[in-house]
Amino acid sequence: GENVEQHPSTLSVQEGDSAVIKCTYSDSASNYFPWYKQELGKRPQLIIDIRSNVGEKKDQRIAVTLNKTAKHFSLHITETQPEDSAVYFCAASPYNNAGNMLTFGGGTRLMVKP
Amino acid sequence: EAGVTQFPSHSVIEKGQTVTLRCDPISGHDNLYWYRRVMGKEIKFLLHFVKESKQDESGMPNNRFLAERTGGTYSTLKVQPAELEDSGVYFCASRKGNEKLFFGSGTQLSVL
Repeated sequence: GENVEQHPSTLSVQEGDSAVIKCTYSDSASNYFPWYKQELGKRPQLIIDIRSNVGEKKDQRIAVTLNKTAKHFSLHITETQPEDSAVYFCAASPYNNAGNMLTFGGGTRLMVKP
Repeated sequence: EAGVTQFPSHSVIEKGQTVTLRCDPISGHDNLYWYRRVMGKEIKFLLHFVKESKQDESGMPNNRFLAERTGGTYSTLKVQPAELEDSGVYFCASRKGNEKLFFGSGTQLSVL
């Protein structure tokens, strides 16, 4: 089955700096890679996702890159703000119409210091 | 649009007792998933329903866990008897086909 590794487990940055979270996956059949943000006491929410037919996707201050050959993908947050503080989870799954289950990484606790 | 709702939000029980968690998915979502996060580790898959059928239950830890989705609407996850290692946050999530996955707020289960 799929195995997703996520690093680092904790990340502390100064407000305004960039943050990068990296994930690797094992199953070459995986082609859908979402990122979830979980604020304290709230539910995980999808913030961005990427499919294997593209190498990069950007949404304002958030970007995700994918290297299918190396089986790794990364989340980049620029100009971090205190409200970016949360736990971030990467995930991977094969994408088809069957609603395949996602395999999650271990999470990264991001702390943005004002 | 109402989101995925879970009940209760917290449950504290003693070892050996029974607990039933409930999940109401978003209306019209045929896919329903249960996940668990134990002690700050990864969100781990438990099982997947497509409507009322169990599509994949490979993540269920053992036979103390029983999930149902009668009628293909809400789902329950029963733990009987509960053990200390069952403590964690149990998430339910739903999606329509392979569209965006929506999570519930989770049930924090503490087994003492």
